[in-house]
Amino acid sequence: GNSVTQMEGPVTLSEEAFLTINCTYTATGYPSLFWYVQYPGEGLQLLLKATKADDKGSNKGFEATYRKETTSFHLEKGSVQVSDSAVYFCALTHSGYALNFGKGTSLLVTP
Amino acid sequence: EPEVTQTPSHQVTQMGQEVILRCVPISNHLYFYWYRQILGQKVEFLVSFYNNEISEKSEIFDDQFSVERPDGSNFTLKIRSTKLEDSAMYFCASRGGQGGNQPQHFGDGTRLSIL
Repeated sequence: GNSVTQMEGPVTLSEEAFLTINCTYTATGYPSLFWYVQYPGEGLQLLLKATKADDKGSNKGFEATYRKETTSFHLEKGSVQVSDSAVYFCALTHSGYALNFGKGTSLLVTP
Repeated sequence: EPEVTQTPSHQVTQMGQEVILRCVPISNHLYFYWYRQILGQKVEFLVSFYNNEISEKSEIFDDQFSVERPDGSNFTLKIRSTKLEDSAMYFCASRGGQGGNQPQHFGDGTRLSIL
């Protein structure tokens, strides 16, 4: 079946550091891939998406590239801010069916 | 920007009681979903709904659960006889009908606490 594996957290970084959160997936065919973010006390917000191989999703300085050959969708940001502190979820779906989420990675950015 | 809204934000219920969680999806969306997140765990799919019927459900969505779209705007999740293990954050999501790759948009969730 489909599954998503994320790196274990929590991740603690200093402001302006480079961020990578690893995400790999197992799925048949060509799923769509997403990153969602959950700020403290809030719901899930779509951060970015990619729907086919080699697509790069980007938003708010975050990027992730859909790598079919390595079945990965790693999230990156060049310079994190304190306001980026949140839990980040990698997820996949086939043709709009149920989203299959990873366990989430907690990020804490310190001043 | 249109939002998915959920009420209440927090629901406290005695074990064995019925509870109804309410959601108002984005107005032109056609696909609706419920997920739950037990504290400290991953977000889990419960059920999807399209064209006034369930299109997919997980093993979690047993006979104690039901969903309904009673009018043109609301989408509800009912738990008939709550158990302690139903305590979780419940998220509603909706998606437009413009193709399967459109993202799901989530509400802020309802925190359900079973005593």
